[in-house]
Amino acid sequence: GEDVEQSLFLSVREGDSSVINCTYTDSSSTYLYWYKQEPGAGLQLLTYIFSNMDMKQDQRLTVLLNKKDKHLSLRIADTQTGDSAIYFCAERRDSNYQLIWGAGTKLIIKP
Amino acid sequence: KAGVTQTPRYLIKTRGQQVTLSCSPISGHRSVSWYQQTPGQGLQFLFEYFSETQRNKGNFPGRFSGRQFSNSRSEMNVSTLELGDSALYLCASSYSPGTGTTDTQYFGPGTRLTVL
Repeated sequence: GEDVEQSLFLSVREGDSSVINCTYTDSSSTYLYWYKQEPGAGLQLLTYIFSNMDMKQDQRLTVLLNKKDKHLSLRIADTQTGDSAIYFCAERRDSNYQLIWGAGTKLIIKP
Repeated sequence: KAGVTQTPRYLIKTRGQQVTLSCSPISGHRSVSWYQQTPGQGLQFLFEYFSETQRNKGNFPGRFSGRQFSNSRSEMNVSTLELGDSALYLCASSYSPGTGTTDTQYFGPGTRLTVL
């Protein structure tokens, strides 16, 4: 498809792991990104992964990449209330350097 | 390094007016991208400027325009404002050395435009 797809909402209990999924469009995209947006703020880069990697871990964050299925996921371990935000995935198309964005997944933390 | 700055942070205009928003990228960054974010439409790409030239353009009407100066600072202009232009306008900068390298975009806090 033409769009980067994400679920709109994810609800998890505090302390559990959150897994946010994304399906991107172009198998030749070399970089894939995860951004976080807190209410009233701009987007903050969380992490990125290069297309020749399957996994990248950074503290509580784990990114998994399945190039065959064009599937990207972000796992947040031990989810905290401060993780409440909208999470955007994006792919970079090397043909024109443009980033293509998903609609964002709102992560809701239940006490 | 200072981050991406956008001015003004908040703006209230009336229909039919025009508005200019400003973005100062991170020092050394050559690419500036503009986005419109609304609750209904999500994050919509407006355009990207690189070395004073528009490199990419989204699907917005000609009322939306931009430019980039030699110091990489960028402005976007919206003429003949409509109620539907009320949104958070985000600017992002990146170094943009070319293909094969990470070209992470760093975002400013945004300008909240309200059209009455």
